[in-house]
This record gives sequence, C-alpha cells and structure tokens, in this order.
Amino acid sequence: GQNIDQPTEMTATEGAIVQINCTYQTSGFNGLFWYQQHAGEAPTFLSYNVLDGLEEKGRFSSFLSRSKGYSYLLLKELQMKDSASYLCAVRDSNYQLIWGAGTKLIIKP
Amino acid sequence: GAVVSQHPSRVICKSGTSVKIECRSLDFQATTMFWYRQFPKKSLMLMATSNEGSKATYEQGVEKDKFLINHASLTLSTLTVTSAHPEDSSFYICSARDTSGGEWTEAFFGQGTRLTVV
Repeated sequence: GQNIDQPTEMTATEGAIVQINCTYQTSGFNGLFWYQQHAGEAPTFLSYNVLDGLEEKGRFSSFLSRSKGYSYLLLKELQMKDSASYLCAVRDSNYQLIWGAGTKLIIKP
Repeated sequence: GAVVSQHPSRVICKSGTSVKIECRSLDFQATTMFWYRQFPKKSLMLMATSNEGSKATYEQGVEKDKFLINHASLTLSTLTVTSAHPEDSSFYICSARDTSGGEWTEAFFGQGTRLTVV
C-alpha cells in the first residue's frame, strides 16, 4: 500500500529552527509537496520538490532524497504565526496526491 | 498564483436537508477538480474527482448518491450533500490544478466549507 509518515506533533521555541520529517512509500514518484494548514483553514502551498536536494524559499526550505523516500521541511527564525499543521503529500505514478496526516507544530514564546 | 474560490465558508443546516457547495477556479480553467473531506486533526481524505462534462469518479466508500458532484463548466464544480445527517458535519475542501502550462506543480485549494448539521 501507499504510506506517508510524519510526526503527529512537534514543539519549538520562537526564533529557533525546526525540521519536520516525512518518509514515504508510494507506487511511483512524481514530486513531493509541503502545505501549511492553520486550524479551520484550507491548506496553502509551501514547496514542491521533484529532484534530490534542497529548495530554499525565505525562512522555509525543503529537502528531498528520492533514494531514501525521505523529505524534510526546515523552518528557520520561527514566528508564532508558524503554529500550524504541516502536510506532506506525494504525487504517485498516476499523478494522484497521497497525503500524510500532517504534523501539528506548536511554537512557544 | 491561481485562485480557487469556495462558497460558502460556513453553513449550518437541519438534518434531512441538502447543502450545495461551490468551487470556482477564478483565473484558470480546470478540467478536473477534487473534493476532500477533513476530520478534526486528520489529513485530507479525497472523496471524488470532478471531471468537466462527465461523471465524477468517487473514492471507495464514498456514497455517490449522497454526495452529488456536478462539473458543468471549466471553472465551476459543485458538491451537494443530500439528506444531510449530523455525521456529515465536517470540513469540505475543493482543489483544482492549472495544467495549461503542462505538468502541474501546485494544487490550489479553496477556502474550505465548514458544514454543521443539526
């Protein structure tokens, strides 16, 4: 079967750095997405990786290793507004999105 | 980026009534839209794929007679929850992809609809 694993919840301190990991086992791979979702709102796009390596976009970076079936989202200089759920999703060989359950990130002052 | 508009954002209805949720792609044509349901603290659950001009494709376990999907134009898909019951209360989200430039690299989401059936 297809599976996306990410931690259920993480806690970090304002101003610090946090890394949210995502491992996947899917039927084929055509890209990995990270989305941010605040409570009661729809997900918003953060990043897309299809090749191995690090993609940096401001305070957020996303890394992909296809051989390891592994990705992480790195958030720097954490702000209170970063408190949200972070969803990892993989596009499989049928170009369908397989979603992880999300990681709830709690930022403490 | 592209914009997907979903309406209403919040609706309360009585048990037994029907509710229609609209999803519009505002600045691109979407031949395919997706409807998700999300339970509290859970991930997105794909309910169905809405195809313009043809029948929707429903995921296993989703009742097509209860969740009616109509994709009448390239910019509008609707989800109608028929004979709603309290257990249908949930957060419903639509998504569309702009494939005009070839392979899509971002799925755009509507704002979501919080449905409460009383």
